[in-house]
Order: sequence, then C-alpha cells, then structure tokens
Amino acid sequence: GAVVSQHPSRVICKSGTSVKIECRSLDFQATTMFWYRQFPKKSLMLMATSNEGSKATYEQGVEKDKFLINHASLTLSTLTVTSAHPEDSSFYICSAMMALSGETQYFGPGTRLLVL
Amino acid sequence: AQKITQTQPGMFVQEKEAVTLDCTYDTSDQSYGLFWYKQPSSGEMIFLIYQGSYDEQNATEGRYSLNFQKARKSANLVISASQLGDSAMYFCAMREGGGGFKTIFGAGTRLFVKA
Repeated sequence: GAVVSQHPSRVICKSGTSVKIECRSLDFQATTMFWYRQFPKKSLMLMATSNEGSKATYEQGVEKDKFLINHASLTLSTLTVTSAHPEDSSFYICSAMMALSGETQYFGPGTRLLVL
Repeated sequence: AQKITQTQPGMFVQEKEAVTLDCTYDTSDQSYGLFWYKQPSSGEMIFLIYQGSYDEQNATEGRYSLNFQKARKSANLVISASQLGDSAMYFCAMREGGGGFKTIFGAGTRLFVKA
C-alpha cells in the first residue's frame, strides 16, 4: 500500500524558533499533498493544499507567512512553522494523493509540535 | 457550503457485534467522494473505505461497509463483527467535486469496543 512518512514525529522547541516538518511519499509520486492541523480531541482542519512545483493554496484564516509550505518534488513537501509560539502547538498531519489517482489520500503518521 | 456532520461523539459496541457510525453531508456538487478514516490513539489516519457519488452499489472493504443513501445525503459506516482493535476515533470525510481535491472532515466518533 501507499506509504507516507513524516519527520520528525514529535518536536519540542522554544518560542520564537522555526520548525520544519517533512512529508514524504515513499512508494509513489504525489502531485498533491495536504497539510492538516488537529487539536486534541478535535477533527482535522485543512491548512493548505500543496501542488508540486507551484505555490500552495492556503485555507481562509491560515497565515501563509507563518506556515511556509514547499512542494519541491513529487515525493516531498515541507511545512515550516516560522517564529513558533505556544498557540502553534498542535498535531500536524500531511497527506498525499497519487498522481493519476484522484480519490484516496494517504496520511502520514503526524508530527506533534510543542512550543514552550 | 460543504459540510460533514457526525452526530455521535461516542459509541459503545460489544465485541463481535455490528455497529453503525452515522455521517450526513451537505453539498451542491453532483460529483463528490465520501471517505471513512480510522484514527487510533497513535494518531495516524487509516483509510477504511471510499464511496463515489456516482457509485450505485454500496462500497465494502472486508468488515467495513458504507451505507450510502444519496437522497438522504448520508454515508454511514457499518463495522461488522467488532474487534477490540476497532476502538478508535472514526472520521467521515468528503472530497469536493469539480476536479478539486479538497477534503473536509466531520467531528469524528469515538468507538469503544467492549470485551
């Protein structure tokens, strides 16, 4: 089956620092990747849609300058939380869709971010 | 606007029995996709089953089946022969139509399987 990895799985950082989260599709090419944020016991909230080689499309209310997304290749997308603050602490999950297959998203295992 | 509603915040089921998790949706699109995902305590999202809006037959995947009632805009998940490992959070999701891939998720239902 399709495998998506995320790195790191959890990260603790100081307020004001930047954190980069990587999302990789390991055994397929992903033309589209998605970044979600999930608060404890809540649903997934789509942050942005990332297409390889183009700028990400951000959902309303998501600060594009704070959450930088880069989709440099068909197997890698990165989310950088810039100048992180405690309120950015959350569970960040990426998903990837196979090229030529528009139906199923395959999710990464998620990254738990704690900003002190 | 598109919307997914899961009205059951928590459900209990006895091991080996079947359980239905409810999901209703609202969309003006003619073409859309409906999904169910399982999220165990580890946090990973596990794809369970998919139903396309034009699929006439209900989708089935092993012990999972999707009771798709298009006129009522419902897409309930049925888990047969529940197992202890089925205890998790379950999310219903809808992919928008029109060639877009944006997917929205319901609030989720936490399923507890009792031994």
